[in-house]
Amino acid sequence: GAVVSQHPSRVICKSGTSVKIECRSLDFQATTMFWYRQFPKQSLMLMATSNEGSKATYEQGVEKDKFLINHASLTLSTLTVTSAHPEDSSFYICSGLSYNEQFFGPGTRLTVL
Amino acid sequence: AQTVTQSQPEMSVQEAETVTLSCTYDTSESDYYLFWYKQPPSRQMILVIRQEAYKQQNATENRFSVNFQKAAKSFSLKISDSQLGDAAMYFCAYRSFMEYGNKLVFGAGTILRVKS
Repeated sequence: GAVVSQHPSRVICKSGTSVKIECRSLDFQATTMFWYRQFPKQSLMLMATSNEGSKATYEQGVEKDKFLINHASLTLSTLTVTSAHPEDSSFYICSGLSYNEQFFGPGTRLTVL
Repeated sequence: AQTVTQSQPEMSVQEAETVTLSCTYDTSESDYYLFWYKQPPSRQMILVIRQEAYKQQNATENRFSVNFQKAAKSFSLKISDSQLGDAAMYFCAYRSFMEYGNKLVFGAGTILRVKS
């Protein structure tokens, strides 16, 4: 299957700072990428759909000014958590779409102190 | 909107035995895809099996098979000859067949424990 990477795998930051998470498709071009958030022992919650060269589409209830998504190339999408607060602490997962199938990254654990 | 329900928060199975995980869904569409994903402790999501709704034949992948009942909107996963490496959280997911779809709707998940 296709491979998706995420960087960093773990990040700890202070409250009020911004954090950027990268999602890369390593062996395919992903016109569309998805960003999910997952709390412990819970399901994946779709935050937004990212399309290369256009604005991301956010799910209801997700603050687009808080979670900035950029999909500047066919292999890279970034999620920036702006002015992070402890309640933003979570596991963030991205996926890339290839031939109508989603391939998932390994996730990024964000801890905001 | 489509919904996916997994009514078993946790399941246990003895090594080498068979276990079935339940999933029901709600949709008004006639064409769609259904998936089972595995999320081991590493948190990496792994596709276990997929089923196209227009196919009557149940999908099978080695020890994993599904029982797809379209009229009942049921999509259960059977794991045969369970192994320790099968221990994980399992998610059932739905995806619309329509081109603009591609979004996955996930169930709440079932934690599977495998006893040696």
